[in-house]
Amino acid sequence: NAGVTQTPKFQVLKTGQSMTLQCAQDMNHEYMSWYRQDPGMGLRLIHYSVGAGITDQGEVPNGYNVSRSTTEDFPLRLLSAAPSQTSVYFCASSYGTSGYTDTQYFGPGTRLTVL
Amino acid sequence: KNQVEQSPQSLIILEGKNCTLQCNYTVSPFSNLRWYKQDTGRGPVSLTIMTFSENTKSNGRYTATLDADTKQSSLHITASQLSDSASYICVVSFGTASKLTFGTGTRLQVTL
Repeated sequence: NAGVTQTPKFQVLKTGQSMTLQCAQDMNHEYMSWYRQDPGMGLRLIHYSVGAGITDQGEVPNGYNVSRSTTEDFPLRLLSAAPSQTSVYFCASSYGTSGYTDTQYFGPGTRLTVL
Repeated sequence: KNQVEQSPQSLIILEGKNCTLQCNYTVSPFSNLRWYKQDTGRGPVSLTIMTFSENTKSNGRYTATLDADTKQSSLHITASQLSDSASYICVVSFGTASKLTFGTGTRLQVTL
């Protein structure tokens, strides 16, 4: 199993540009999520999905869109990039939808810089 | 507001020594507490998960303890190795997987 994969690893955008961060998992996990990690702060949840066709907002959803058309893929779209979105983005997945005690598996991250 | 505080912020120890990292939380209601290891430039990797009814959980040289009454947890690393150099993140859940509060981590450096 490849686990959770993310592309690209690095990306530089100009303010106002849009782009999609890709996330895929091959473990047949129902639950997938996107986090951002900023210096001096804990990971913060952007959006999450409990299964194909179902998504919901996390703590910091503004400026981001998601969709879940298949179990495997969960792309994150930046609609109009802003410098405040400069961060490291992590995708994660877990088997259960409740996540009560399910282990979350994280991808390697995408480091995004918005100029 | 749900918070997770970790201490120390950073720590340097000699290879072979033991160390203990601390985590205090104010999350309520409490569901479970997780410890993750994050190598530089990588995503976090789960070390342990404990529910409120568990007070200790081991994973090799890593042992996590939980005191749900005082809302404290610790991660003890035994016989440290250079590969233990990483950030260790405490995460507290107050419900489903979407209800996780992450600490800012303790940066551990193991030296020769």
